[in-house]
Amino acid sequence: AQTVTQSQPEMSVQEAETVTLSCTYDTSESDYYLFWYKQPPSRQMILVIRQEAYKQQNATENRFSVNFQKAAKSFSLKISDSQLGDAAMYFCAYRSASGAQKLVFGQGTRLTINP
Amino acid sequence: DAGVIQSPRHEVTEMGQEVTLRCKPISGHNSLFWYRQTMMRGLELLIYFNNNVPIDDSGMPEDRFSAKMPNASFSTLKIQPSEPRDSAVYFCASTDSTRPNNEQFFGPGTRLTVL
Repeated sequence: AQTVTQSQPEMSVQEAETVTLSCTYDTSESDYYLFWYKQPPSRQMILVIRQEAYKQQNATENRFSVNFQKAAKSFSLKISDSQLGDAAMYFCAYRSASGAQKLVFGQGTRLTINP
Repeated sequence: DAGVIQSPRHEVTEMGQEVTLRCKPISGHNSLFWYRQTMMRGLELLIYFNNNVPIDDSGMPEDRFSAKMPNASFSTLKIQPSEPRDSAVYFCASTDSTRPNNEQFFGPGTRLTVL
């Protein structure tokens, strides 16, 4: 079974600075998808960014980018120019590219932005 | 598009009572997921449907939990009888699984409190 681990329960960063959230996963599959979801206090789950395992190029979405290291099974999220609105829980998630469509989530990292 | 709709948003009930959570997926989506979020266990899949058929219910805690999807636009998750340990946020999500790079869209969640 696949597992996802986020080793940082909490992180904080100064506004306008850069922060990196860590995520590692375990799988025997070669093709899969990885996601970062944001959950603000409203508890709505919002997709931040996704990465296809077959793509070597790291995904980017505006101020959000990932560092995908397939061999190391690592998938970190970098937030540049942090804004107060980025404060939330961030969840890393895995989904198989074939078979099961379910998302497997990490435990989450609570990100605080200091003004 | 209205997004995934869940009702009620909040539910407070007493131990032993029956609880029914409802979900309307995004129109055109063929897969529907029920997730549960707790402090202890994080986000975990309870069950998911593909084309209204249950595919994986291995996450359903026990016989007290049941889920149905009578048609493509409606699903229910029922707990009978409810227990305090069922207190959690329950999310419904949907996606078009025919698209390889599909994204799961989450509803706002139902916060359930069992006294």
